[in-house]
Amino acid sequence: DVKVTQSSRYLVKRTGEKVFLECVQDMDHENMFWYRQDPGLGLRLIYFSYDVKMKEKGDIPEGYSVSREKKERFSLILESASTNQTSMYLCASTSLVWGPVDTQYFGPGTRLTVL
Amino acid sequence: AQSVSQHNHHVILSEAASLELGCNYSYGGTVNLFWYVQYPGQHLQLLLKYFSGDPLVKGIKGFEAEFIKSKFSFNLRKPSVQWSDTAEYFCAARSNDYKLSFGAGTTVTVRA
Repeated sequence: DVKVTQSSRYLVKRTGEKVFLECVQDMDHENMFWYRQDPGLGLRLIYFSYDVKMKEKGDIPEGYSVSREKKERFSLILESASTNQTSMYLCASTSLVWGPVDTQYFGPGTRLTVL
Repeated sequence: AQSVSQHNHHVILSEAASLELGCNYSYGGTVNLFWYVQYPGQHLQLLLKYFSGDPLVKGIKGFEAEFIKSKFSFNLRKPSVQWSDTAEYFCAARSNDYKLSFGAGTTVTVRA
């Protein structure tokens, strides 16, 4: 089974702090994704990466950055946390193979509260 | 990128009732479609997916979905729900890249 793990289930930070959210997958997947999940808005893509050191902006990248130094690890960084970044953050991964086997596998999520 | 809309925000029904959740997507070309489910306190997990072929797709736990290209729809169905189907359901679509676009989600509450 694919396993996607996230470093924290719950996190409380203060406005202005720099926040790191870590995601690790164990299936040698090329593609990794960061989403935020908000009630009534579903999941929105923040950033994704299709290879080590490669990244592309998703739909809502403002206020976030990412780092992918190793294939299995994809970090989301909030440079200066703000209260409107309080949310559930989900990491996902998928292989590069295009077709019926291509399914995104999700981590358990990190619920971030910014005070 | 795709735009995905889900018709219902919250559905409440009794056990053994039939369930149908609506989903429409925006892009008319090649599209891959998915339904994900999130049970309370659990990971988002795949229910079923459509890539090509038979437009009626069967998934886990007795769910199925029908792809109707002319209507840009991919509705999810289950003939008889159980209390354990209480969850949030997300429709998602993907066109020519790896990015998934998700709908806003539908919360389904099944009363025993």
